[in-house]
Amino acid sequence: GAGVSQTPSNKVTEKGKYVELRCDPISGHTALYWYRQSLGQGPEFLIYFQGTGAADDSGLPNDRFFAVRPEGSVSTLKIQRTERGDSAVYLCASSLAGQGYNEQFFGPGTRLTVL
Amino acid sequence: DQQVKQNSPSLSVQEGRISILNCDYTNSMFDYFLWYKKYPAEGPTFLISISSIKDKNEDGRFTVFLNKSAKHLSLHIVPSQPGDSAVYFCAARTSGNTPLVFGKGTRLSVIA
Repeated sequence: GAGVSQTPSNKVTEKGKYVELRCDPISGHTALYWYRQSLGQGPEFLIYFQGTGAADDSGLPNDRFFAVRPEGSVSTLKIQRTERGDSAVYLCASSLAGQGYNEQFFGPGTRLTVL
Repeated sequence: DQQVKQNSPSLSVQEGRISILNCDYTNSMFDYFLWYKKYPAEGPTFLISISSIKDKNEDGRFTVFLNKSAKHLSLHIVPSQPGDSAVYFCAARTSGNTPLVFGKGTRLSVIA
């Protein structure tokens, strides 16, 4: 399909483990966003890439969270020493770059459960 | 500190009637507002948006109204259909490709 895809759809891990979540944006979209949605909340911004570089990482909660986008397409969100409070749905979105208001298209999310 | 607030966690409406979902914001720098719809196990899907230079935008059964002085916007769905049952998120941002700030969502149930 032509939409944003995320893998895995579900991830269960134990406290203290390391996880990687992957996002494949829509082809040609240079802007990529990661959001986190906890139960009963709206999506909360984590980090935004413009091309390969992180344009804004102010939403990352602490240094256990890190994201990369080495070739300006696929992005990986990495979480070290996971904690139970990291359990949430992690959403990725992409959009066209440039001026104006470009719609963000969301993937289905990865549901992370930390036991 | 919630910059975008959806104070009604749920709303139940009869099929054929109007659904009105409300949203308030506090950041006066927001100049673009969006509504997203979310079904279970899916990502949010863009529904309709409005720029701060307008006070109304209409797309089929969906209309968004913006009252800048009150920092309030609303989404009207007329007529409501059972397939509209979903969680609706209000979102806002400042200019350009900036991240979206979301409300907590309102769960709409349209009863046949």
